[in-house]
Amino acid sequence: KQEVTQIPAALSVPEGENLVLNCSFTDSAIYNLQWFRQDPGKGLTSLLLIQSSQREQTSGRLNASLDKSSGRSTLYIAASQPGDSATYLCAVTSSNTGKLIFGQGTTLQVKP
Amino acid sequence: SAVISQKPSRDICQRGTSLTIQCQVDSQVTMMFWYRQQPGQSLTLIATANQGSEATYESGFVIDKFPISRPNLTFSTLTVSNMSPEDSSIYLCSVDKGGAGNTIYFGEGSWLTVV
Repeated sequence: KQEVTQIPAALSVPEGENLVLNCSFTDSAIYNLQWFRQDPGKGLTSLLLIQSSQREQTSGRLNASLDKSSGRSTLYIAASQPGDSATYLCAVTSSNTGKLIFGQGTTLQVKP
Repeated sequence: SAVISQKPSRDICQRGTSLTIQCQVDSQVTMMFWYRQQPGQSLTLIATANQGSEATYESGFVIDKFPISRPNLTFSTLTVSNMSPEDSSIYLCSVDKGGAGNTIYFGEGSWLTVV
């Protein structure tokens, strides 16, 4: 059974700092991995999608990496801003079931 | 991309009543899903909404409690029946426009509080 774990559960950093969020998954049989952002009481916004054959994806100040063999992904946020404060969720699409399986999320607070 | 509208965005419901959540997509999509996010938790898949046939429910979720309709390729509803305080959650509709290899899009969610 696929399990997705995110560490840390919460993170607080001063503005301007670079930071890394971690995601691990137990089964390497995945189609892709996605990072989402969720603001309090809101839905999810997809940030980056990495296909299983890819190693990384970049969008602006965000860079996500994927190491499928070791079951790990990281989301790197450069020069963090208070507007980056949100919960970040990692999810994998299982190639066995086709279903999206989510981690518990990392709640990020960027202090001005 | 996909624009997904959910209604209601927020509601306070009485114990024992039922509420239907609507999900409207701006284009035809193959796959539509309903998720639940309980307070402080991550998302859990309730069911896959199948166009023209009964929804496919995940373990722990049953049709009597969460009836789902999908009359066409752009619209679906989820009903939360006979609500109890444990049903207080955000309910999210999501779509996959092109199958398992593509980006999943989510609606804004419907935040239900049962009192």
